[in-house]
Amino acid sequence: KAGVTQTPRYLIKTRGQQVTLSCSPISGHRSVSWYQQTPGQGLQFLFEYFSETQRNKGNFPGRFSGRQFSNSRSEMNVSTLELGDSALYLCASRSRAGLLENTEAFFGQGTRLTVV
Amino acid sequence: AQSVTQPDIHITVSEGASLELRCNYSYGATPYLFWYVQSPGQGLQLLLKYFSGDTLVQGIKGFEAEFKRSQSSFNLRKPSVHWSDAAEYFCAVVAIIQGAQKLVFGQGTRLTINP
Repeated sequence: KAGVTQTPRYLIKTRGQQVTLSCSPISGHRSVSWYQQTPGQGLQFLFEYFSETQRNKGNFPGRFSGRQFSNSRSEMNVSTLELGDSALYLCASRSRAGLLENTEAFFGQGTRLTVV
Repeated sequence: AQSVTQPDIHITVSEGASLELRCNYSYGATPYLFWYVQSPGQGLQLLLKYFSGDTLVQGIKGFEAEFKRSQSSFNLRKPSVHWSDAAEYFCAVVAIIQGAQKLVFGQGTRLTINP
């Protein structure tokens, strides 16, 4: 069974540009969450999608957005990139939404975004 | 607000030595707690979790953790570390924020193994 796949693995963008990251969850999983990991702030929750609907949202500006497709694949978009957006972006898939204690989150390897 | 503190940013132990990584949480009710491991260039892998019941939890790769409500702690232990255990370890708690459940992570502890 394939794991969580994130593409691309590495990305370099210029300040002011926008970027789209992709996450394909484990087959059959319908919940996808996104996290930002930086040395200064650690791991922070961005948002969660389930059945093409955003279920939860973290405390990030509106420049960060996402969506989920009917096949459960999810994309995350960051517009007007800032230097501080440089981070490892991780996505996690679960078989269903709902209580976190009931379903394990499986993480992808992440996309490392560098903004110059 | 629910939070997790990992007091040790970096720990170095010798191969074969015992290990304890500290985690303290702040949460009013019974917490749901996790330990994850992240190897360089990799995502997070779940080591173990505590929801209720026995306060000593066994996980993968020979790790265990003990939930101590009186100390608000959930420390991770391993009796004998291997060089392959070198990684970053994250403690996390399920938090209710704006009515929705989210994972809140500690800052992580980087583990270095001396040969």
